[in-house]
Amino acid sequence: GDSVTQMEGPVTLSEEAFLTINCTYTATGYPSLFWYVQYPGEGLQLLLKATKADDKGSNKGFEATYRKETTSFHLEKGSVQVSDSAVYFCALTDQGGSEKLVFGKGTKLTVNP
Amino acid sequence: DAGVTQSPTHLIKTRGQQVTLRCSPKSGHDTVSWYQQALGQGPQFIFQYYEEEERQRGNFPDRFSGHQFPNYSSELNVNALLLGDSALYLCASSTRRTQYFGPGTRLLVL
Repeated sequence: GDSVTQMEGPVTLSEEAFLTINCTYTATGYPSLFWYVQYPGEGLQLLLKATKADDKGSNKGFEATYRKETTSFHLEKGSVQVSDSAVYFCALTDQGGSEKLVFGKGTKLTVNP
Repeated sequence: DAGVTQSPTHLIKTRGQQVTLRCSPKSGHDTVSWYQQALGQGPQFIFQYYEEEERQRGNFPDRFSGHQFPNYSSELNVNALLLGDSALYLCASSTRRTQYFGPGTRLLVL
């Protein structure tokens, strides 16, 4: 079945550092890809998405590009802030009728001042 | 515009009891999905409702059941609670294949 693999955390960075969180997927067909963020004690917020190959999703300084050839959707940000500290989840939905999301295990990011 | 809302926010039950969780979708959304998130894990898909019917189900036992009402709101019912059912239960509503999540209900089974 479909699956998502994220880099193991936790990740600890200093403020203004560059962030990369790796995400690769296995899916039949052409899935849509998502990054969600979960702040402590809260639900999930949609961060960005991409629905077809070579699409770039972006939001709040975060970017991710849908790479079909490497089945990847790595999350990047050029300069992280303390407020970016959260758990980040990569996810996919297939192109069939279902909108079921399949999630990775999450990567916890801590940004220190 | 209100987002996805869930109630209650927290709940404590004992083994063997039954629980009902509630979800109201974002305005204009007709599809509701439920997920279980164990501590330190990614959410796992329980089931999805569309037009008051269960459209797809994940790998969860029949103790987990649901309902969608004509106004698109939804309930998740869990019978015969087990300690392992302790988790954050997330509701998501969607349109155009993008899901938006509520804040979740944290269930603790003692």
